[in-house]
Amino acid sequence: NAGVTQTPKFRVLKTGQSMTLLCAQDMNHEYMYWYRQDPGMGLRLIHYSVGEGTTAKGEVPDGYNVSRLKKQNFLLGLESAAPSQTSVYFCASSYRSGTGSNEQFFGPGTRLTVL
Amino acid sequence: GEDVEQSLFLSVREGDSSVINCTYTDSSSTYLYWYKQEPGAGLQLLTYIFSNMDMKQDQRLTVLLNKKDKHLSLRIADTQTGDSAIYFCAESLYSSASKIIFGSGTRLSIRP
Repeated sequence: NAGVTQTPKFRVLKTGQSMTLLCAQDMNHEYMYWYRQDPGMGLRLIHYSVGEGTTAKGEVPDGYNVSRLKKQNFLLGLESAAPSQTSVYFCASSYRSGTGSNEQFFGPGTRLTVL
Repeated sequence: GEDVEQSLFLSVREGDSSVINCTYTDSSSTYLYWYKQEPGAGLQLLTYIFSNMDMKQDQRLTVLLNKKDKHLSLRIADTQTGDSAIYFCAESLYSSASKIIFGSGTRLSIRP
């Protein structure tokens, strides 16, 4: 099992450009998440999905869009990149939690720089 | 609102015990977690504790939960250089089982 993979690993954009980050998981997880990590601020949830075809806003959704057309993939789009979106982006996935713990499995991250 | 707080840095001598502390605000937490992030990598779950437990031990790791004070700690016995990492405290809530709230992370550095 590859677990959670992210593409690309690094990217440099100019202000106003668009791009899509791809997350894939092979664990048949229901839940998927996109976070951004900035120094001293921990992880902040951008958007998440509780199943194929569904998405929901997290803590910092502005400037991002997501899609979950297939259960194993969760895409994060930046339509018009801004320097404030320079960050490390992490994708995660987890089982449907029910009453159990919600252990999240993380990808290796994508380092994005917007000039 | 929901908030999880940790100190940003901790430095310990190799072989000593490390204690990383965390406080949280929401009393409806169901599970509390400790994640480890090594340089250039994603987060990995170290251990977690259900909210009706006081303590959980797993080899060199001991988690203590004080629900009254909303305080969680992670003790790493016999700290080694491989323990250098950022440690994140996190909680999941009864009201929103699909989400986890993360703290800002504590960077643990090891002195020889």
